[in-house]
Amino acid sequence: ETGVTQTPRHLVMGMTNKKSLKCEQHLGHNAMYWYKQSAKKPLELMFVYNFKEQTENNSVPSRFSPECPNSSHLFLHLHTLQPEDSALYLCASSQARREQFFGPGTRLTVL
Amino acid sequence: EDQVTQSPEALRLQEGESSSLNCSYTVSGLRGLFWYRQDPGKGPEFLFTLYSAGEEKEKERLKATLTKKESFLHITAPKPEDSATYLCAVQGGETSGSRLTFGEGTQLTVNP
Repeated sequence: ETGVTQTPRHLVMGMTNKKSLKCEQHLGHNAMYWYKQSAKKPLELMFVYNFKEQTENNSVPSRFSPECPNSSHLFLHLHTLQPEDSALYLCASSQARREQFFGPGTRLTVL
Repeated sequence: EDQVTQSPEALRLQEGESSSLNCSYTVSGLRGLFWYRQDPGKGPEFLFTLYSAGEEKEKERLKATLTKKESFLHITAPKPEDSATYLCAVQGGETSGSRLTFGEGTQLTVNP
């Protein structure tokens, strides 16, 4: 594996389900990010982790819960989501504040 | 608050017809301006980083330039495979951390 990988690529869930998105970076970076991309809207930063420590939470609802067990892995735990949470969820990594490299994304549909 | 505005929203070109995409920004202490390319259903692909006014970078048919208020992505003799959404993002000074503020993108279609 190279670059940034994300699983699953597609996810359909009901509003009462609990699911998790996984991201892994193979670039040796020390920062990881979660973004949300909705149609006709700019990418929205959700969370930032530097050296496994959360350094930014962009007013994200508590139904989204991030976890960063080490500098290579990042999870986004989802529970009791709403239909408006349907979007493309993108993971990215960077070395400090340099350019960010993105994964392919998880297309999430909440029914 | 950092802001990025990209224009036009959509652009249709004929193969070989050169043009430019615009990214206007306001930021407190620009640390870097980034260009990405995004294909449908995929994550953004990094193209360029520009750090200071007057800087230029090139890659194949693409050339990015930067002034104190805006950046241009010039596309010379485009091909159909250049069709994608092009995203611009800025990173501000120390108080912004590693946050990137993105524009809404320009959707480019190049017809054969």
